Amino acid sequence: ELKVEQNPLFLSMQEGKNYTIYCNYSTTSDRLYWYRQDPGKSLESLFVLLSNGAVKQEGRLMASLDTKARLSTLHITAAVHDLSATYFCAVDRPFFGNEKLTFGTGTRLTIIP
Amino acid sequence: DAGVTQSPTHLIKTRGQQVTLRCSPISGHKSVSWYQQVLGQGPQFIFQYYEKEERGRGNFPDRFSARQFPNYSSELNVNALLLGDSALYLCASSFKGYRGLTSGRADSYEQYFGPGTRLTVT
Repeated sequence: ELKVEQNPLFLSMQEGKNYTIYCNYSTTSDRLYWYRQDPGKSLESLFVLLSNGAVKQEGRLMASLDTKARLSTLHITAAVHDLSATYFCAVDRPFFGNEKLTFGTGTRLTIIP
Repeated sequence: DAGVTQSPTHLIKTRGQQVTLRCSPISGHKSVSWYQQVLGQGPQFIFQYYEKEERGRGNFPDRFSARQFPNYSSELNVNALLLGDSALYLCASSFKGYRGLTSGRADSYEQYFGPGTRLTVT
């Protein structure tokens, strides 16, 4: 069974600081996703990572994928308050007959002024 | 283009009642998946439907059922509601979702989420 773990579960950061969220998964996966969720809202897609070594950046967020280590990271640079949210990673394996998304536990990020 | 839509937005039911949640996928998408997100947790897969057939089922009791209509919209039904069924129910659509398909564009399988239905069981 595919399992996805994130750490830390909770993260409180000061504005302007850098930090990294880690996502480990248990078996080979086709794709790795990062989502953002604001309280009471749905999931907003941030990044889709398809191959080993993939790196994508959007604003102050950068995601990378190491399929050999089964590890993805979401790096936050010079955090600002607007980035406060819960971040989820998820994996699926559509080319192996498993289209469902398996989500991590989430990382609740709070940016402190 | 309109995204995935869900109705209702919020719903309050009492224990033992039945509920039906509705989802309309993005135009042209043939696959619909349902997820349950309990407060403080990540979404959990419930069902996937593709071309009106069930393609995947998560670890949920038989009280949960779903169907997909010819226009690819979908309904999720939950019978004999329990307090633990209180959650945000998310619907996601994708262009493809055929189990065992080994070719095709990777982005054909990307799932797009709707705004969700917040179900409260009292």
